Amino acid sequence: DSGVTQTPKHLITATGQRVTLRCSPRSGDLSVYWYQQSLDQGLQFLIQYYNGEERAKGNILERFSAQQFPDLHSELNLSSLELGDSALYFCASSLSGGPPQETQYFGPGTRLLVL
Amino acid sequence: TQLLEQSPQFLSIQEGENLTVYCNSSSVFSSLQWYRQEPGEGPVLLVTVVTGGEVKKLKRLTFQFGDARKDSSLHITAAQPGDTGLYLCAGARIQGAQKLVFGQGTRLTINP
Repeated sequence: DSGVTQTPKHLITATGQRVTLRCSPRSGDLSVYWYQQSLDQGLQFLIQYYNGEERAKGNILERFSAQQFPDLHSELNLSSLELGDSALYFCASSLSGGPPQETQYFGPGTRLLVL
Repeated sequence: TQLLEQSPQFLSIQEGENLTVYCNSSSVFSSLQWYRQEPGEGPVLLVTVVTGGEVKKLKRLTFQFGDARKDSSLHITAAQPGDTGLYLCAGARIQGAQKLVFGQGTRLTINP
């Protein structure tokens, strides 16, 4: 158990819909990362937050948005869903999000299926 | 474009054999990490290498970072069925905010 929790574990929805994925970081970690893992693209970095502020942005679509709240939990919002958005979405957390070699602890993921 | 190329993508060997997984790039990374991911779970960090030429050992696993910090390898000695899983390498970029670039992964199966 990494200490990072994600809900829901599974999500099935239809094209065009909007969903929200939730992540609670490990106790004491200030930085949260979101990743998407699909069969054809592998694990792709989406976005990073540190103490409520966006720190880095990766391959995140404009239809996707995220935020980190004062209690440090984070939400990833996916809208206008397409079939290709079906994937595993992972949240990870780290202490400060500063040094590149700082350990990131991954949650168990949310499996999204868009029908 | 995949910045980190892992090979092989799939590997199935018998218990007791040795194996090496490679992670190659044309880019230089400030550090490189190896993760193992099991079905239904998130990746778990195995090791971080930060110095060119660095070698780290974790029981039967040996990790090496290339001298130019563009490539890495994972060698497993006397593989066990418990080593079965998806192995991912991830490089941390030198410039820009911290974000990890992952390879496609090597799916390893150790047969009893």
